[in-house]
Parts: sequence; structure tokens; C-alpha cells
Amino acid sequence: GENVEQHPSTLSVQEGDSAVIKCTYSDSASNYFPWYKQELGKRPQLIIDIRSNVGEKKDQRIAVTLNKTAKHFSLHITETQPEDSAVYFCAAPKGAPTGGGNKLTFGTGTQLKVEL
Amino acid sequence: EAGVVQSPRYKIIEKKQPVAFWCNPISGHNTLYWYRQNLGQGPELLIRYENEEAVDDSQLPKDRFSAERLKGVDSTLKIQPAELGDSAVYLCASSLVGPWSVYSVGNEQFFGPGTRLTVL
Repeated sequence: GENVEQHPSTLSVQEGDSAVIKCTYSDSASNYFPWYKQELGKRPQLIIDIRSNVGEKKDQRIAVTLNKTAKHFSLHITETQPEDSAVYFCAAPKGAPTGGGNKLTFGTGTQLKVEL
Repeated sequence: EAGVVQSPRYKIIEKKQPVAFWCNPISGHNTLYWYRQNLGQGPELLIRYENEEAVDDSQLPKDRFSAERLKGVDSTLKIQPAELGDSAVYLCASSLVGPWSVYSVGNEQFFGPGTRLTVL
């Protein structure tokens, strides 16, 4: 099955600095990589995703890069703000979906703390 | 538009008791997922439904866990009997999945608020 590793487990940055979270995956057939943000006691919410036909995607202060050869993808948050403080999860599907849907394997999460 | 609804939000039971969780997905979403999230971990898939069919239940502990989605809409997840190690947050998610193609890969999963289960 898919094995997803995520680093670091905790990350503390100063407000305005950049934050980078990295994930590696094992299944070379994986083709979709979402990132979820989960605030304390809340539900996970998708913040950005990337498909395997592109190497980078950006949405305002958030970007994701994908290296299919090395089988790793990263989340980049620039100009961090206190409201970015949360747990971030990467995920990867178990190969290409058959018949629809994605069986996602989630990373273990990164606790990001943005300090004033 | 209402999001994924789950109930109850919290449940405290003693071990060996049964418990059930309910999920109402986003209207029109044909795919429904049940996840378990242990403290400090990412969600772990238990079962996935496409309409009323369970298409992936390989990680569901079938000796004590059961699930159903009879009419392809609402779903229930049951544990009987509960064990101490079942304490976790149980998350339901839904997505709209059309015919598969390389361009339709990846359909956003919308999560519900979860049910926090504590087994004493």
C-alpha cells in the first residue's frame, strides 16, 4: 500500500517568515496530492492540491511543488500569519483510482505555530 | 449549502458497550468515507462507499465494526462491543466522483466535524 511520510512533525516560525512542509510517498502510480489544514477541534479542510501532470501550483500565499522522480511533494506558505497556525496533513492516493474515488493515505501531520 | 453533518459530536461509553455514528453527506455526493483519527495522527480510512456499495473496507475491523449506506445517502458506522483502543475521532467525508479519467483524478473530500468517542 501507499506509505506517506511527513516532516517535520512540528514547525515554529516568526510571523512573516516562510514555512515548508515535506512529504514523500511510495506508490509511483500516485497522481493526486492534496494538503489539508486542521485547526484544533475542527475538521480537516483542503487548502491546495496538485495533480501529477504539473510540477507546481500556487494560490496566493500557498504553493505546492511535486517531484515525481523523487516521489516527494512540499507545501510552501509565505508571509505566514498567526491564523496559519494549525496542523497540516499531506495525503496521497493508493495508485490511480479505479471506478472513481480516491483511497487517501494521510501523513502524520505537522503542527505549525506562527509566533508574533 | 450544508456541509457534511455528523452526530453525535461527542460520545462517552464504557467498554463492551455498543455505539453508533451517523453521517449525512453533502447533497449529491455519491462517494462517502469513514475515517478514524487518533490523537496526533492523520485520518485513517476505514471504509469507502460508492453510492450504496462498499468498495473498500479492507481496513475496517470487521469483528466489531460494521457500516451501512442503505439508500446511497446517509450512513451509519457501528462498533459492538467497543474497546478502550477505539477512543478516537470518527470522521465522515464525502465527494462527488464522476467517470474516471486521468483528468478527473482527485476529487476533493469534504469532511464532517467528526464524532469524538471516549471509551472508559
